[in-house]
This record gives sequence, structure tokens and C-alpha cells, in this order.
Amino acid sequence: DTGVSQNPRHKITKRGQNVTFRCDPISEHNRLYWYRQTLGQGPEFLTYFQNEAQLEKSRLLSDRFSAERPKGSFSTLEIQRTEQGDSAMYLCASSSERREQYFGPGTRLTVT
Amino acid sequence: AQSVTQPDIHITVSEGASLELRCNYSYGATPYLFWYVQSPGQGLQLLLKYFSGDTLVQGIKGFEAEFKRSQSSFNLRKPSVHWSDAAEYFCAVGATGTASKLTFGTGTRLQVTL
Repeated sequence: DTGVSQNPRHKITKRGQNVTFRCDPISEHNRLYWYRQTLGQGPEFLTYFQNEAQLEKSRLLSDRFSAERPKGSFSTLEIQRTEQGDSAMYLCASSSERREQYFGPGTRLTVT
Repeated sequence: AQSVTQPDIHITVSEGASLELRCNYSYGATPYLFWYVQSPGQGLQLLLKYFSGDTLVQGIKGFEAEFKRSQSSFNLRKPSVHWSDAAEYFCAVGATGTASKLTFGTGTRLQVTL
């Protein structure tokens, strides 16, 4: 068990650019989650996948955000036309069916 | 909708002293409950979880938590705090049956003085 991994760990981008983050879950986990955490707050749910199906999306996930999990393994989160308000820590977690979620180290996004 | 309240934003304790972090939740049925710990700039580490059964649950690093349905609480405790416990602690609730998204509190920052 190597844990959940996320890449990159840090990303600095200019406003208006597109960014993509990757999450590799624990291998036997069929559920994958994305959360966003801003300074001084707890993580907020964005979306989750069961295998390759995206089953729920938060209203926080505007149309500039898209997530995929094409083969039910790794997942990508893309933000188009980034805004300064997108600056946050993006956390990925994975779990087995109806069990606890294990989090990765996160990707810190800074939009200048 | 589910929600979590952590009333203490910041707590300072002396090393060796006991600790209790408060967590109150709102959910229509018996929820799944979790405590996570986060060091600066890092992801979240699971300390312990409650799904069902014994209301006193043991976790890693000597932590325990007690589920009290009547008070809608799931407080985290440790009998003797170590300096390495200094971190941010988050309580979270998940919906039973689906165990999909977690709803987190705003966290409690623990400072440990030597």
C-alpha cells in the first residue's frame, strides 16, 4: 500500500491559464474523491467517482472545472481559465465501498 | 443536509496534559463520524472512525473519541499530549448507506507548550 499520491504538489499559474492535477488512488480502492481546502477552512467536497462513473458533483464545481477517471484508476481535475479565487489546496482521497477515506498530500494551487 | 461544528478554533495545552476537542454534528440518522489530523502543508491523516457498535472508539497515536447520540457529539480525547500532536484537527461526518462525501468542520488548531 503506497497510499494516495498527487501531482504536482505545488502549481503556480497566471490568471486565465488552464491547469490539470492528477491523483493516483490506493490500488484496490474503487471510490475516488476530490476536495478543495482554502486557508483556515476544512476541506469542501467537489466530486466523487465510483470506478469510472462520476456519481456526484458539488455546486462548487463550476463549469470551468472538470474531472475524469477514464479507466477507473487515476483521476485528473482540470481548471480552465483560472481565477485568483481558485487558489487553494486540492485534495484527493480514495476508499473502498462504504469505508473510510484516505487522503493524498494535496496539490497547492496559487493563481497570480 | 449534514453539518459539523467545531466550536474551538484554537486550543493550547501543556505537554503531558489531557486534551479534549469538541465536535457536534447535524444529521438526520446515525452518521459515520471521523477525526482527521493535518500538519501544515500536508494532507489529512485518519485518526479514528465510528461506523456503528461500541460508542467509544480507539484510534492511532493514543487518541480516542466517544459518540454520544443524545448530544450529537463526537469529541476527541487524549490522556497525555505530546509536542508532536501540535496540528490542525478536523471532525467529519459522512452519510450512512452511501458513505460518499464527507462534510468537515472548520478545524481546531492545537498548540502544545513545553
